[in-house]
Amino acid sequence: DGGITQSPKYLFRKEGQNVTLSCEQNLNHDAMYWYRQDPGQGLRLIYYSQIVNDFQKGDIAEGYSVSREKKESFPLTVTSAQKNPTAFYLCASTYRGDSPLHFGNGTRLTVT
Amino acid sequence: AQKITQTQPGMFVQEKEAVTLDCTYDTSDPSYGLFWYKQPSSGEMIFLIYQGSYDQQNATEGRYSLNFQKARKSANLVISASQLGDSAMYFCAMREVYNAGGTSYGKLTFGQGTILTVHP
Repeated sequence: DGGITQSPKYLFRKEGQNVTLSCEQNLNHDAMYWYRQDPGQGLRLIYYSQIVNDFQKGDIAEGYSVSREKKESFPLTVTSAQKNPTAFYLCASTYRGDSPLHFGNGTRLTVT
Repeated sequence: AQKITQTQPGMFVQEKEAVTLDCTYDTSDPSYGLFWYKQPSSGEMIFLIYQGSYDQQNATEGRYSLNFQKARKSANLVISASQLGDSAMYFCAMREVYNAGGTSYGKLTFGQGTILTVHP
């Protein structure tokens, strides 16, 4: 079955450590996105990518980095520069144009 | 400036009744898309319905319909015959398309969400 896989589901890290969240899709979608969700809040866009080797900053890119070396993969690194990294992170993908985003099941990151 | 506004933090509805979740948006682009997603407590995001800015008719998908009023910039979700399983967070989102350097980009912006509780 086609879909988006985010791993791991839960992630715990110590403050000051970088951590990379995985996102893989086998839907042959061109565009991929990373969103952050805080409790009781909406989704905020971190980074997005329309094509391989190209990505754009979203509304809250500071403290995050991404890469898009393959069409299927869009990993997100939460760096030590991110002041409040504890959150729920959602990855999504879509075709270009007015197609709905398909979401992964999310990674819940806790930094202590 | 807030691009997507959902003014109802929480809504309650009796099972089998209809409920309307409000959404207003702000854009100067003539071409855009409006989406509604459902997020149960498990955290997954479930696509419900889509409305394009040029669509003449309101979108419908089963028990979901979108009341699209372009001049008022509103895209309210109507859920008919509510079920207990409809209890969840609902998000309105807008996708704007722009071009830069020969590449077409799409960016989806979400509202703050409305928590819907269906009572038996």
